[in-house]
Amino acid sequence: NAGVTQTPKFQVLKTGQSMTLQCAQDMNHEYMSWYRQDPGMGLRLIHYSVGAGITDQGEVPNGYNVSRSTTEDFPLRLLSAAPSQTSVYFCASTFDRPARNSPLHFGNGTRLTVT
Amino acid sequence: SQQGEEDPQALSIQEGENATMNCSYKTSINNLQWYRQNSGRGLVHLILIRSNEREKHSGRLRVTLDTSKKSSSLLITASRAADTASYFCAANSGYSTLTFGKGTMLLVSP
Repeated sequence: NAGVTQTPKFQVLKTGQSMTLQCAQDMNHEYMSWYRQDPGMGLRLIHYSVGAGITDQGEVPNGYNVSRSTTEDFPLRLLSAAPSQTSVYFCASTFDRPARNSPLHFGNGTRLTVT
Repeated sequence: SQQGEEDPQALSIQEGENATMNCSYKTSINNLQWYRQNSGRGLVHLILIRSNEREKHSGRLRVTLDTSKKSSSLLITASRAADTASYFCAANSGYSTLTFGKGTMLLVSP
């Protein structure tokens, strides 16, 4: 199993550009989530999904869209990139919701710079 | 706001010593989890302790949970240089979300 795969690993965008960060998992996990990691801020939840067709907002959803058309894929879209979105983005998945004692499996991250 | 907050922010020890990190959280939880992150990599799950458990062991790791004080600790015994990493606690905030603290950076010197 590949686990959680994120692409690309690195990306540089200009302000106002849009892009999609890809996340795929091959573990048949129902729950998937996106976090961003900034220095001194820890990880903050952007969006999450408890199953195909269901998404919800996390702590910092503004400027990001998600969809979950399949169990395997959970892409994160930046609609109009801003320098404040410069960060490292992590996708994580697990078989059930966090309250059900289900640990997260993380991808290796996408490092995004917006100039 | 952070559900989990680690203390200290940074810890520097010698190989062979024990490392202790603490985590405090705000609201009631179903479980508390600890993760490790090596530089430039994703987080790796270390151990999960349920709210009805007080202590759990995994190899050189020992985790305690005190729900009355809303706190947890992670002890790494006989530390090795390879344990150098950032360590995060995470607690479920609600049914469907997991909130992470800001992490403790551990440096183990040979």
